Amino acid sequence: AQRVTQPEKLLSVFKGAPVELKCNYSYSGSPELFWYVQYSRQRLQLLLRHISRESIKGFTADLNKGETSFHLKKPFAQEEDSAMYYCALSPPGSSNTGKLIFGQGTTLQVKP
Amino acid sequence: GAVVSQHPSWVICKSGTSVKIECRSLDFQATTMFWYRQFPKQSLMLMATSNEGSKATYEQGVEKDKFLINHASLTLSTLTVTSAHPEDSSFYICSAYRGGFGEQYFGPGTRLTVT
Repeated sequence: AQRVTQPEKLLSVFKGAPVELKCNYSYSGSPELFWYVQYSRQRLQLLLRHISRESIKGFTADLNKGETSFHLKKPFAQEEDSAMYYCALSPPGSSNTGKLIFGQGTTLQVKP
Repeated sequence: GAVVSQHPSWVICKSGTSVKIECRSLDFQATTMFWYRQFPKQSLMLMATSNEGSKATYEQGVEKDKFLINHASLTLSTLTVTSAHPEDSSFYICSAYRGGFGEQYFGPGTRLTVT
């Protein structure tokens, strides 16, 4: 079954510390992977997607097909990074519909 | 651009009544919209895929007769919670898929409370 797993419900770090939000997926094909972010009292928005290989707000994520992982990283966390982060998968064949399967989400808390 | 609105932002209804939630893509056309349910501090659970001009596709375990979805135009999808019960109380979020950009844009959500 298609599944996205984010093992940590809460990740708390100090400002300036490195951050790694873990995401593992189970799917036999070649899905497209995304990270979405939800700041307090705001709607969900796309942070980055693996096919674009961008760095957004200092965050990067590398797709590791061998480990079926798509961990989100940032070398130096900022207080404004505090938010809920969701890893999501779009199964192959969903390119025309955009269907997404979300992980459980990880709350990132960056302390001053 | 790419703004999705939802109306109402919150609603309180009595048990047994029906509630309709609207999802609109304001500045683009969306052949596909999605409806999610989010419990406090939990993930988004995909309920159904709403396709313009055709029947919605419901995820396993979602009652199609309880959660009626209509996608009447390329900019509007509605979710009607019929015969609402307190356990239907939740945060309902819609999203619209912008095909050319390959991206979903999310609405702000609707808080439903059934008393």
